[in-house]
Amino acid sequence: EADIYQTPRYLVIGTGKKITLECSQTMGHDKMYWYQQDPGMELHLIHYSYGVNSTEKGDLSSESTVSRIRTEHFPLTLESARPSHTSQYLCASSDRPGTGVLNTEAFFGQGTRLTVV
Amino acid sequence: GNSVTQMEGPVTLSEEAFLTINCTYTATGYPSLFWYVQYPGEGLQLLLKATKADDKGSNKGFEATYRKETTSFHLEKGSVQVSDSAVYFCALSDQAGGGNKLTFGTGTQLKVEL
Repeated sequence: EADIYQTPRYLVIGTGKKITLECSQTMGHDKMYWYQQDPGMELHLIHYSYGVNSTEKGDLSSESTVSRIRTEHFPLTLESARPSHTSQYLCASSDRPGTGVLNTEAFFGQGTRLTVV
Repeated sequence: GNSVTQMEGPVTLSEEAFLTINCTYTATGYPSLFWYVQYPGEGLQLLLKATKADDKGSNKGFEATYRKETTSFHLEKGSVQVSDSAVYFCALSDQAGGGNKLTFGTGTQLKVEL
C-alpha cells in the first residue's frame, strides 16, 4: 500500500485566494511530482523534484509554485487562485534508480480536486 | 521526445468479455513500461510493469508484454468484471540521465456492464 498523502481531498475556494495543496510521503523517496488532470482525464506534469532543494517545471506551464525543503514534503502553492485553475491535482513519488533495484514505479496520492469559483 | 499513444475510449464491454487496450510508444532510450489504473475519485495505482523487451507484466488477471520490435505494450484480460470499470493509463519511464519522469498516454475509460 502506498504511503503518500494529499490534503485536502476537495477544496472550493474563491477567486484571488492563496492556497497550498499538501503532499507528504513516508517512503523516503527522492523524486516527487505534481500532475494536473483535466476533465478529459489526460495527465500533465507541472512540477517535479529530484531531491531536497531541487525543483523543476514540468511539461505543462503552470502558475503554481512548489518547494522541497524536506524529503517527505512537496507542497504546491497558488498565490492567487482563478477559475482556470479548477482541476484535479495528483502528487506522486518514486525512488532513484541505481539503488541496486530497478524500481521506477511511481506511487500516487488520492488527489486534490480544486474548484475555484 | 518520448510519447505514448493509447486507444481512445470509452470502451464498453459485457462482463466476461475479452479486453484489449492498445498502447504504443516512442522513446529515445530503453524505457520501462507501465499500466496504471484509476478508479473513480481516486489517484492512480500501478497495475503492472515490464522493464525490458519480451518481459510480461501481469496482475489481477491483466497482462501486457513489452514488444520492442513493434514498440507496443497492449493490455489484455481474458474475462473482465464490473469491478474492472476504471480509467487505464499506459506510461513509460525513461531513465536516461538518472531521471525518472513518467510519460503518460491520454487514458482509456473502460465500462463493464452486466
